[in-house]
Amino acid sequence: DAKTTQPNSMESNEEEPVHLPCNHSTISGTDYIHWYRQLPSQGPEYVIHGLTSNVNNRMASLAIAEDRKSSTLILHRATLRDAAVYYCILKSVPNTDKLIFGTGTRLQVFP
Amino acid sequence: DAGITQSPRHKVTETGTPVTLRCHQTENHRYMYWYRQDPGHGLRLIHYSYGVKDTDKGEVSDGYSVSRSKTEDFLLTLESATSSQTSVYFCAISEGEPRARLAKNIQYFGAGTRLSVL
Repeated sequence: DAKTTQPNSMESNEEEPVHLPCNHSTISGTDYIHWYRQLPSQGPEYVIHGLTSNVNNRMASLAIAEDRKSSTLILHRATLRDAAVYYCILKSVPNTDKLIFGTGTRLQVFP
Repeated sequence: DAGITQSPRHKVTETGTPVTLRCHQTENHRYMYWYRQDPGHGLRLIHYSYGVKDTDKGEVSDGYSVSRSKTEDFLLTLESATSSQTSVYFCAISEGEPRARLAKNIQYFGAGTRLSVL
């Protein structure tokens, strides 16, 4: 399975945009890029996913580099509730529904 | 929240005793998973199920067994608990079909069970 690399931690102030990077230089053409986050003392929750094009939903935006070797999760206005560990995960077709978690990026949001 | 209930939410047990954790879903999703989470690690897959009586091993399955006799219930059993199995256990579900769309499939997680083996 292709691997992802994320910074261990990042900081932001409330109401500022946050850009969470993820490198996946060995991504294959059929790998989807998924993002999950885990709030303190909770199970992970789905945030967004994409294949080639940038994606938006109510939680966040996903910007995917043209060569697909990196992606960025964008939180447009961070809130205190966005403080969490964010995981960037690659999922392969047709292999699997499995999620292989790394250690993610711990985002701190300051008032 | 997706209709996932994990029980118990907390358990303390002694080394050598059997322990069963239950995951119950009301979503009628076909796929179910058990993960464990330890400090310094992301979640690691223990076992998964693609349907009733259809289970398989994940990356850290040693010391664990599972059963799925009904769509809604996925049981994780530690036959003889050890201190190394002290962890937080998460259950997850996903719709799973059709297989061609698996890479897009979203998993929904339960709130977790904190298990301490003394």
